[in-house]
Amino acid sequence: EDKVVQSPLSLVVHEGDTVTLNCSYEVTNFRSLLWYKQEKKAPTFLFMLTSSGIEKKSGRLSSILDKKELFSILNITATQTGDSAIYLCAVATNAGKSTFGDGTTLTVKP
Amino acid sequence: GAVVSQHPSRVICKSGTSVKIECRSLDFQATTMFWYRQFPKKSLMLMATSNEGSKATYEQGVEKDKFLINHASLTLSTLTVTSAHPEDSSFYICSARGTGSPDTQYFGPGTRLTVL
Repeated sequence: EDKVVQSPLSLVVHEGDTVTLNCSYEVTNFRSLLWYKQEKKAPTFLFMLTSSGIEKKSGRLSSILDKKELFSILNITATQTGDSAIYLCAVATNAGKSTFGDGTTLTVKP
Repeated sequence: GAVVSQHPSRVICKSGTSVKIECRSLDFQATTMFWYRQFPKKSLMLMATSNEGSKATYEQGVEKDKFLINHASLTLSTLTVTSAHPEDSSFYICSARGTGSPDTQYFGPGTRLTVL
């Protein structure tokens, strides 16, 4: 059975802090790993990672994949209150199936 | 680009009635659409995957006769909750996947269903 585990489950930081969110996986026929941000409504796409060691970056957010150790991290630097959200990691397989982790709830305090 | 709409955003119905939720991809053709259910403070639970023109594939434990899914066109999928009960109350989210980026799912804004 495909499995995606995110840690920590929740995190509280202050504005300006840097956070690292983790996602580890065990799936058959890995194709890609995706990160989403979910605020009050539905998730929005952040990154898709398919190759090891290549960092994807968007503003203060960055992510990298390690296909040997089967994990990915999502970094957020200089956090702001607007970064408060649930961050979801999903893994897609060659069969076209996606498995989501339980998410990390990030709270950024002013 | 890649906008998915969902209607209605919120619905309240009586126990025993049926409710239809629509999911539309507005600016791309969605070869595959997904329906999820999300409980408070929990992650997304995949209910079913639908490909245009074919029957939906339901996840284990999801009753296909209760949650009817139709994907009649490349831009529209519907989920009908039949004979709704209070335990069906939840947040239902659809997502769509196009041909351009086959793994990226674009999510609708969700539908909050409350069954009285």
